[in-house]
Amino acid sequence: GENVEQHPSTLSVQEGDSAVIKCTYSDSASNYFPWYKQELGKGPQLIIDIRSNVGEKKDQRIAVTLNKTAKHFSLHITETQPEDSAVYFCAASSDSGYALNFGKGTSLLVTP
Amino acid sequence: EAEVAQSPRYKITEKSQAVAFWCDPISGHATLYWYRQILGQGPELLVQFQDESVVDDSQLPKDRFSAERLKGVDSTLKIQPAELGDSAMYLCASSVTAYEQYFGPGTRLTVT
Repeated sequence: GENVEQHPSTLSVQEGDSAVIKCTYSDSASNYFPWYKQELGKGPQLIIDIRSNVGEKKDQRIAVTLNKTAKHFSLHITETQPEDSAVYFCAASSDSGYALNFGKGTSLLVTP
Repeated sequence: EAEVAQSPRYKITEKSQAVAFWCDPISGHATLYWYRQILGQGPELLVQFQDESVVDDSQLPKDRFSAERLKGVDSTLKIQPAELGDSAMYLCASSVTAYEQYFGPGTRLTVT
């Protein structure tokens, strides 16, 4: 089955700096790559996603890049703010099942 | 904004007891998922429904877990008997297409 690895497990940045989280996947059939933000005691919230026919997608301060050849994708957050502090999960799925295979998460801390 | 509803939000039960969780997906979402999230890890799929039919329950421990979605709308996940290792967050998600899964707030289960 699909194996998604996520790095780093923890990330601390100062307010205003950029943060980058990277994921790799194993199944070449994977074609959908969402990113979720999870705050303490809450369910994961979809923040951005990308499909395999696109190399990059941006939404305000958040961007995701995908390299299908290398089987890796990344989340970029610019101009970080304290409210960006949360656990971020990457995931991958394919048309064969649709269920998401998640990475183990990155705990992001943005300090003022 | 429509949301996935789950209840209860928290449940404490003794081992060997039965426990049930309820999920009401976003209206019009035909696909419903139950995930289990152990503390410090990403969610893992337990069961996936398309309308009232089970699409994937390969990771559901069927000796003690059961799930149903009788009318293709809301769903119930049951554990009987509960074991200490079942302590986790149980998340429900729904989607209208193969992509963009939206999660509920989850049920935090503690088995004592």
